[in-house]
Parts: sequence; C-alpha cells; structure tokens
Amino acid sequence: RKEVEQDPGPFNVPEGATVAFNCTYSNSASQSFFWYRQDCRKEPKLLMSVYSSGNEDGRFTAQLNRASQYISLLIRDSKLSDSATYLCVVNMENHDYKLSFGAGTTVTVRA
Amino acid sequence: DAGITQSPRHKVTETGTPVTLRCHQTENHRYMYWYRQDPGHGLRLIHYSYGVKDTDKGEVSDGYSVSRSKTEDFLLTLESATSSQTSVYFCAISAPGGTPGQYNEQFFGPGTRLTVL
Repeated sequence: RKEVEQDPGPFNVPEGATVAFNCTYSNSASQSFFWYRQDCRKEPKLLMSVYSSGNEDGRFTAQLNRASQYISLLIRDSKLSDSATYLCVVNMENHDYKLSFGAGTTVTVRA
Repeated sequence: DAGITQSPRHKVTETGTPVTLRCHQTENHRYMYWYRQDPGHGLRLIHYSYGVKDTDKGEVSDGYSVSRSKTEDFLLTLESATSSQTSVYFCAISAPGGTPGQYNEQFFGPGTRLTVL
C-alpha cells in the first residue's frame, strides 16, 4: 500500500468555482502534513502546511482528519493561475524529516 | 525562493556511462535530499544527508551513490547509467526544528532532466 494516495484527477473547473480534493495516508503516527503545488516541468513548491485544527491561507483551506487519516484541500474562487498539480505530503513512518509524496492531483481551471 | 541550484539542468548520456549531478545550497540547511520523479509516481527518495559526510539510503537507492563533503554541496552519482534511470531529479533541503514536525518543510531545487539512451 502506498504511504500517500491521491485521486489523480484531472479536476476541470470554471474560473470562480470551488474545487476540493482529498488524499489519504497510511501512517497513523504521522505528525507533519503539507500541500505542495507543482507546475508543469517545474519544481514542487510549498503551498501550505496543514495543522490539526485546519487552516486557511487566502482562498486555500486545508483540513486534517486524523481519525480517518485523510487531508483535504479546498480552493475557493478558482483562478486560471491555480491550474497545477497539487501534491499531498506526509512525514514517513518513524522519520520526522523524511517525507512521502503523493503522485498528485491535477487541477485545470478554464476561462 | 530558497537558494538551491542544480547542475546540469539537462543531460543526455549513454547507457553505461557515469553521471554526477550537483546540488548547491546557500541556506546552510543541515538536511539535503535527492529525489526522482517519474510519471504516475510521487517523488521518491533516493538518498539523503543529515550532515557533512552523513548520508543514508532512501527507498530507491540501488544504482545511486551520494557524497557530501561540504554543507552546501550534495552530489548524486550514477555509477553506470541505465535507461531506467531516465527521470527528473530534484534536490531538496530542510532544517527541521527540535519539536516533531516543526520546520521540516522541504524546499526544492529546479530539477535536472536526465535522459539515458
């Protein structure tokens, strides 16, 4: 079983729409959770860390559900520039500083 | 942006030749990582370093070696390149804090596209 699993999508949404997607993780002891954004042929960039109480950064909201072992990302008022692949990232079992990456969820925002 | 550079950015080589990729950071971060990224897979950890001369294997380390003689440089070597090592290679750095989960975000270099013919 993969440590982090994501729906690959693609999620095709119109500008201004809300889009949300989840990822599941296998390590119940994980402490660190992140969403990264990756544009085509570019390096991953940190979008936001995910905290236990959930957190928001502008139009982006992340939630953590430890009981069901999933993380969610919601994007409100989608912009064309939000088109990217979003990577779910969790620390590896027994390793605080080693991270496991999901294969990514692709979001395409159309005009 | 984090001060991480990778060289070369693109390389085409032939099966059986040795290849060395370089990662250089200006952040003085203790931890450095090498990943490969292939279609349909997440980033997979090849090797990582937790200090000068301190390295360890990741999940896909076969066929790769690393060295770190200075804080700022982390080298990845393919001793004898194979076509299965055609991939995009990313270097990353992090500076974990003392509390579990604290500051262990990783920051990535621009990547190296390697093609082995």
